[in-house]
Amino acid sequence: SQQGEEDPQALSIQEGENATMNCSYKTSINNLQWYRQNSGRGLVHLILIRSNEREKHSGRLRVTLDTSKKSSSLLITASRAADTASYFCASMFSGGYNKLIFGAGTRLAVHP
Amino acid sequence: GAGVSQTPSNKVTEKGKYVELRCDPISGHTALYWYRQSLGQGPEFLIYFQGTGAADDSGLPNDRFFAVRPEGSVSTLKIQRTERGDSAVYLCASSLRAGGYTEAFFGQGTRLTVV
Repeated sequence: SQQGEEDPQALSIQEGENATMNCSYKTSINNLQWYRQNSGRGLVHLILIRSNEREKHSGRLRVTLDTSKKSSSLLITASRAADTASYFCASMFSGGYNKLIFGAGTRLAVHP
Repeated sequence: GAGVSQTPSNKVTEKGKYVELRCDPISGHTALYWYRQSLGQGPEFLIYFQGTGAADDSGLPNDRFFAVRPEGSVSTLKIQRTERGDSAVYLCASSLRAGGYTEAFFGQGTRLTVV
């Protein structure tokens, strides 16, 4: 399979709680990106972290990258019902490969 | 246009028929990607173009699938002799260039159903 792995596959939380999603990949990367998808259609880019970065923030999003473990995590703080969606990590491999390889995703449900 | 446009949004076809899916990327984006997404799965890479040429078509599942981008803008994904297993959402994305630290912008996808 092309895909990396994400866990959990599904996450259900209450509004105001934090949500953490994890992603693992298989080979050396140039960067790793997180995307959000509503209702199984278009994906929206959330954040990109370069291979030489360890942590990045954007609003309520915090992404970490551990290249030694080939893993990344996405933290959404103070979640809202509108954050309900599927979240995917996508790896851009190094070595001249210019395609994004997606994980299987985490389905997040935030309950009011 | 403002974003990546894909047409049609939905396509129902009979097994064995030929279909074409169209993608209009963001103006000025040189890289264009096609992905296929089955229910409950992440997008699966099919092919990407840098300009007019297919730079990597390693994800095309078999020779029934073909894609073109003759003028370096609009792309068409063509599927011959469709099979029920081809049913999926086909996503197109474009980026300013391929690789590097560039984000991809996705269209809303074409939901293909083969009956």
